[in-house]
Amino acid sequence: QSVLTQPPSVSAAPGQKVTISCSGSSPNIENNYVSWYQQLPGTAPKLLIYENNKRPSGIPDRFSGSKSGTSATLGITGLQTGDEADYYCGTWDSSLIAGVFGGGTKLTVL
Amino acid sequence: QVQLQESGPGLVKPSQTLSLTCTVSGGSISSGSYYWSWIRQPAGKGLEWIGRIFTSGSTNYNPSLKSRVTISVDTSKNQFSLNLSSVTAADTAVYYCARAITGTTKFDLWGQGTLVTVSS
Repeated sequence: QSVLTQPPSVSAAPGQKVTISCSGSSPNIENNYVSWYQQLPGTAPKLLIYENNKRPSGIPDRFSGSKSGTSATLGITGLQTGDEADYYCGTWDSSLIAGVFGGGTKLTVL
Repeated sequence: QVQLQESGPGLVKPSQTLSLTCTVSGGSISSGSYYWSWIRQPAGKGLEWIGRIFTSGSTNYNPSLKSRVTISVDTSKNQFSLNLSSVTAADTAVYYCARAITGTTKFDLWGQGTLVTVSS
């Protein structure tokens, strides 16, 4: 059971937009920065979003992040088949004094 | 550019200790404001944060693993290591080492991962 809750799967057609939610609580999301990671099959996770809404160099602006209270959201616009992957949210939990991740969301581009 | 590479046995017997090393190449493990983590992923499942170490030697561990985990750093070898004792089949996973900026969970650099199987 993950500390952060994500939907197991989402799907949308190419070119469309999708959002992935990440729900937590006060000790984690509400009081710490959230990061998002993309994991393509058989590869290590890759940083997509950090500090709630910032993109590392090289990440297209089709990817966006937001946070409100105890929840965070990853948005992906202009979906491409290459976006099919597992997506994870992560943050620090000040009560556990540990890093925590969501259970992951599998994105299918129909 | 800086790269991380995990190494260690791919097969560990139940009740024994799993030992992995992450080698940092292309830069010094002591430079910058970073900490170094271990993260694992059982097949078909999500990511689990195991713990972290600062180059000062300060550590934090996942409470669910704390009694069995030790993370250490050897700055002279540009390496940090994971020891997980009393392993069971539930510890079978791909183990990743990763770098994050101090004060964040911005894991901006990951190793490729190494599969460790616990089996007799």
